[in-house]
Amino acid sequence: GAVVSQHPSWVICKSGTSVKIECRSLDFQATTMFWYRQFPKQSLMLMATSNEGSKATYEQGVEKDKFLINHASLTLSTLTVTSAHPEDSSFYICSARDTAGGNEKLFFGSGTQLSVL
Amino acid sequence: LAKITQPISMDSYEGQEVNITCSHNNIATNDYITWYQQFPSQGPRFIIQGYKTKVTNEVASLFIPADRKSSTLSLPRVSLSDTAVYYCLVGDGGNYQLIWGAGTKLIIKP
Repeated sequence: GAVVSQHPSWVICKSGTSVKIECRSLDFQATTMFWYRQFPKQSLMLMATSNEGSKATYEQGVEKDKFLINHASLTLSTLTVTSAHPEDSSFYICSARDTAGGNEKLFFGSGTQLSVL
Repeated sequence: LAKITQPISMDSYEGQEVNITCSHNNIATNDYITWYQQFPSQGPRFIIQGYKTKVTNEVASLFIPADRKSSTLSLPRVSLSDTAVYYCLVGDGGNYQLIWGAGTKLIIKP
């Protein structure tokens, strides 16, 4: 299947700093990427939909100024957690939509564990 | 929007066939059914996708009855490494509104 690379896989930062997470589709072009947040033992929660060349669409309750999303190319989307606080500590996962073959499938990155001290 | 219901957890033993059923009563005409596997601290991994009847690949089979209100993921001859959380997703291929099930934690015992 298609490969999605997410980096970094693990980051610790001080409260008040910003953290950037990258999501790359390695062997296909993704006009649409998705960003999720997952708390322990819970399902994935969609945060936002990232569209190449346009503004991201945020889910209700997700602060767009807090979680900045940039999708500048067909293979790269970034999520920046600005002025991070301990409550932002979570597992963040990206996915990219592969429409090759007619059926739409999502392929996921390996996730980023963010710990804010 | 479809509401997804799947068992919270299941146990089985190595070498057995495991069937996990997902209920999606309000599935829409354009929706596909997709199953993902997730290990702790990893992103979900695509297992199988289908629209109707039966789909089989090298790791699983997916059975979808004619009314499409449920689907069953079948894992043949499971091993300890199949211990994971399995998510059922129903997706609108047009607007791509994905509805996630809460996940089924599958534990395989020796």
